[in-house]
Amino acid sequence: DTEVTQTPKHLVMGMTNKKSLKCEQHMGHRAMYWYKQKAKKPPELMFVYSYEKLSINESVPSRFSPECPNSSLLNLHLHALQPEDSALYLCASSQSGTGASPLHFGNGTRLTVT
Amino acid sequence: KQEVTQIPAALSVPEGENLVLNCSFTDSAIYNLQWFRQDPGKGLTSLLLIQSSQREQTSGRLNASLDKSSGRSTLYIAASQPGDSATYLCADGTSYGKLTFGQGTILTVHP
Repeated sequence: DTEVTQTPKHLVMGMTNKKSLKCEQHMGHRAMYWYKQKAKKPPELMFVYSYEKLSINESVPSRFSPECPNSSLLNLHLHALQPEDSALYLCASSQSGTGASPLHFGNGTRLTVT
Repeated sequence: KQEVTQIPAALSVPEGENLVLNCSFTDSAIYNLQWFRQDPGKGLTSLLLIQSSQREQTSGRLNASLDKSSGRSTLYIAASQPGDSATYLCADGTSYGKLTFGQGTILTVHP
C-alpha cells in the first residue's frame, strides 16, 4: 500500500468543467510534487512545494492551479482543460525539498478530458 | 538540459537469471540518481537512491551503481523472479527535488 493517497483514482471531465485532484501524506514530509505522465512516457515535473510554499513551476499552463493548504495536503485545481491534458497525474512527497531523500509516489489520478 | 537514456527498452528473461539495466545521463553535475519501478496503471515505487558522492547502493537482490565520469548507472537484479516484472525507470535528481526520467525498461521475467 502506498503512503501517498490520491483521490479520485479516475476522473472524466469536459473542457468547460472545474475539478480538483487531491493528494495526502502523513509521513511528515515537507516537500510535495505534482508530476504528469502521458501514456507510455516517463513522468514530467509540474510543480514543487517546499514547506508549503510553491518553489518550482515548470512553465505549466494556468489552467492547472496547485494549492498546498497544509503540510499534509496538496491539491491540483483544473479548469478549461484540453483533450491533450488527458494523462496520469502523480503526486509525490519527500522528507525535504533538497533532493537528498527519495520521492514517495501515490498511485495517481487517471484523467480523461472529453 | 539534462537527458536520461535507458537501454534496453524491453527485456525478457527466464526466472532465476541475473540481469543488468542500463541508464546514461548527460548531467555532469548530477546531484543524485534514483531508480524506480512502476507496475501497470500504478504509481512509482522508489528502489534505490545514490547520492553523487556515492558509488553504489544495495537493497536485497538489487544493486545500483553510479559512475559520474562516464555518465552511467546500472541496476543489477539478482536471481530474478516473475514478481520483478515491471517498468524500471532511472531518474537524474537535482538539489531541489526535480527528477528527469529516462524512458524506462520494460522487464518481463517468465517462469
